[in-house]
Amino acid sequence: QSVLTQPPSVSGAPGQRVTISCTGSNSNIGAGYDVHWYQQLPGTSPKLLIFGNTNRPSGVPDRFSGSKSGTSASLAITGLQAEDEADYYCQSFDSSRDGYVFGSGTKVTVL
Amino acid sequence: QAQLVESGGGLVKPGGSLRLSCEASGFTFSDYYMSWVRQAPGKGLEWLSYISSVGVTTYYVDSVEGRFTISRDNSKNSLFLQMNNLRADDTAVYYCARDREAYGAPYWYFDLWGRGTLVTVSS
Repeated sequence: QSVLTQPPSVSGAPGQRVTISCTGSNSNIGAGYDVHWYQQLPGTSPKLLIFGNTNRPSGVPDRFSGSKSGTSASLAITGLQAEDEADYYCQSFDSSRDGYVFGSGTKVTVL
Repeated sequence: QAQLVESGGGLVKPGGSLRLSCEASGFTFSDYYMSWVRQAPGKGLEWLSYISSVGVTTYYVDSVEGRFTISRDNSKNSLFLQMNNLRADDTAVYYCARDREAYGAPYWYFDLWGRGTLVTVSS
């Protein structure tokens, strides 16, 4: 049972916009801790996609954007491309566990 | 180019032990907290343990506390995970990941991951 809740799957046609939600609680996101997002392409290791709620590491396209409000956060992918088909995970710090917590993961399918 | 390379995975019987290693290159290893994260087949990511940049502080999730031990050797740019009393539900790909330290604390996210090493616990 993951501490952060994500929808199991989202899908969209090429060029469309999709969003992935990440719902936490008052011991993690709601306590003000940052949310980070990772992309895991099939058969590969996770890659940092968004850090500090809204920041993109160098090399990550600006099609990817993050936001946070209250006890939730969201990842948006605009102009969806076939190469975006992957699993996406949110992550934060949880004060009751004194460590990193991950979301349950969301599979993005490009129709 | 910064890189993390895990090794040491394999097939082990329930109750057995295994020691994973993670070799870092291309960056100043001692500037980073390091963690182990695992992913069971077809499942999500589970953070297991971290160790501070100089190895003084460690932390474990409940599911591995008392069975797994994290350690590091900054002189060899290496991270380790000693796993004892392994169970079938420990079967997973094990990743090492880095988290930069600033003012004595990590940033609480992973900016670099290794490729992982597969551990299979089965009789």
